[in-house]
Amino acid sequence: GESVGLHLPTLSVQEGDNSIINCAYSNSASDYFIWYKQESGKGPQFIIDIRSNMDKRQGQRVTVLLNKTVKHLSLQIAATQPGDSAVYFCAERDDKIIFGKGTRLHILP
Amino acid sequence: EPEVTQTPSHQVTQMGQEVILRCVPISNHLYFYWYRQILGQKVEFLVSFYNNEISEKSEIFDDQFSVERPDGSNFTLKIRSTKLEDSAMYFCASGTDPYTEAFFGQGTRLTVV
Repeated sequence: GESVGLHLPTLSVQEGDNSIINCAYSNSASDYFIWYKQESGKGPQFIIDIRSNMDKRQGQRVTVLLNKTVKHLSLQIAATQPGDSAVYFCAERDDKIIFGKGTRLHILP
Repeated sequence: EPEVTQTPSHQVTQMGQEVILRCVPISNHLYFYWYRQILGQKVEFLVSFYNNEISEKSEIFDDQFSVERPDGSNFTLKIRSTKLEDSAMYFCASGTDPYTEAFFGQGTRLTVV
């Protein structure tokens, strides 16, 4: 069965606000997670990753948080911009990548 | 910046025909993958390939599917006798190892009519 999944299919956020996209996983042995962004008609684009020995990792305008106790990770996007509109997938990697269903992020003007 | 390239971007084929989807992974990568995404659905794993052999394959990757690395740069997915339900976006991905980021191509949209 599926080992990663997202809580919400759609998230609408005002431009300039912060976005938080959540994901739950079921395999407590999972140790490497990736967030991908997929724009319409394009392939998944790597955003940020995190390993299970970390709780938090920051990139440019993005932060991933990992809570191993409740098997939850989140992607935070600061100061959301129109170009952030996309579907976001959390994924687990152990050689192959297992994708969750995705959350579509809508940016409101 | 190096990228995974896929050709063609769109392929239309008649049911029962064979198709070959082509990928050029990033040049120093050793691990290769095919995924598919039916419209509006999640990205599904098909097959992983390393050292000139299949490492793992999913239930979707049945006898109608095969992969090949015919030379040092190309990685192909062949569907022997296409079915209507094979219509999807097919993504190739590559990575330097199994435990760091993998990079995806822009995909080939396969339409079976």
